[in-house]
Amino acid sequence: DQQVKQNSPSLSVQEGRISILNCDYTNSMFDYFLWYKKYPAEGPTFLISISSIKDKNEDGRFTVFLNKSAKHLSLHIVPSQPGDSAVYFCAASMEYGNKLVFGAGTILRVKS
Amino acid sequence: NAGVMQNPRHLVRRRGQEARLRCSPMKGHSHVYWYRQLPEEGLKFMVYLQKENIIDESGMPKERFSAEFPKEGPSILRIQQVVRGDSAAYFCASSPRQGPPYQETQYFGPGTRLLVL
Repeated sequence: DQQVKQNSPSLSVQEGRISILNCDYTNSMFDYFLWYKKYPAEGPTFLISISSIKDKNEDGRFTVFLNKSAKHLSLHIVPSQPGDSAVYFCAASMEYGNKLVFGAGTILRVKS
Repeated sequence: NAGVMQNPRHLVRRRGQEARLRCSPMKGHSHVYWYRQLPEEGLKFMVYLQKENIIDESGMPKERFSAEFPKEGPSILRIQQVVRGDSAAYFCASSPRQGPPYQETQYFGPGTRLLVL
């Protein structure tokens, strides 16, 4: 059972434009959501998170939006840079929970 | 301030051998999590440990896999009698877990890539 889904395996964006990565979840008990970026042969690097009490969180070029009613979140990167090319994972956890539940990832390619 | 350390980075074992993966959490972090990533998949939770305690092992296979986080030293993930299906990247993460709300970020190590021949 895939509780966290990233339906786009890959995304290609021109440098300087906006990248939008999407994530859907099915478990209404999730209340904390995170985005990680991963380069080949490295561990996931934390990017940004959002609590379910908010609908937006911004950190520099990265903004995460949460739509609880639709059980959907998205990561916006603007402007996109070639160094942003990586696999992006969406993850979720429950209140007082311990484990992160990950999506399958989206490969982002930023073309210069 | 060193991040999460894992060793070895690469490990090759023949079927039936044992694999030992080590993880040292970030300084000040007392909570360790192990995840496994199979090819073309996302990370899957295996086990959550505090010092000398296993808190949640709901993601651990019932046989051959064990984990510990002793009072002194790194956390160890141990796989006995490895099979080809154990080939994967194993990631360790840590968090400070200082108290409610329990919405803490987990920080990951570089992973150990296990190849079973």
